[in-house]
Amino acid sequence: DTEVTQTPKHLVMGMTNKKSLKCEQHMGHRAMYWYKQKAKKPPELMFVYSYEKLSINESVPSRFSPECPNSSLLNLHLHALQPEDSALYLCASSPRGRGPSSAGTDTQYFGPGTRLTVL
Amino acid sequence: AQSVAQPEDQVNVAEGNPLTVKCTYSVSGNPYLFWYVQYPNRGLQFLLKYITGDNLVKGSYGFEAEFNKSQTSFHLKKPSALVSDSALYFCAVRDVNNAGNMLTFGGGTRLMVKP
Repeated sequence: DTEVTQTPKHLVMGMTNKKSLKCEQHMGHRAMYWYKQKAKKPPELMFVYSYEKLSINESVPSRFSPECPNSSLLNLHLHALQPEDSALYLCASSPRGRGPSSAGTDTQYFGPGTRLTVL
Repeated sequence: AQSVAQPEDQVNVAEGNPLTVKCTYSVSGNPYLFWYVQYPNRGLQFLLKYITGDNLVKGSYGFEAEFNKSQTSFHLKKPSALVSDSALYFCAVRDVNNAGNMLTFGGGTRLMVKP
């Protein structure tokens, strides 16, 4: 099973709202990722969690706050977003966390995404 | 630094004809190369990857890709296209020296297969 699930599928929020995106995988993967994707563009990496610890933050604004409660779950908390933050937010996971160079051979498996619209 | 280029924004092919989606890469070390497909309003689906060994890699849905080190290319191919293959295709690269496990994606190529 190579399934990554994401909820909700769609989210519409105002600029003053607080909401959260959820990602879950039960493949025993130890690395999890958040990406942002604009229409017809490649995914842009936001955060990487390795062994439940934040290992990469690609200079993402603080209105995006990631959280990894356990090895299967990854959340993205949203607060005071801007209309330009509207995008498809993708979660991914891969078997091994950051470290040995052999982890570079690992495939990232993506969830279906959450389509976020900020009004 | 690592980078990947997909020189064609769109590829049009008739159903039943062979298709090629081009990808070239740049890395400082040896590359790990991946192809993903994305259908509208969906996440990326893994198709295939090259790590080492045979330069011709076979993947899902009848797709294959050929690694060419001298040309730094990893073109995606399929002998006979289906209308259902119409989607957005992304090539991605990771440098073997990249301990951060970060993928760099190309800009994507939209494949249109017409009946």
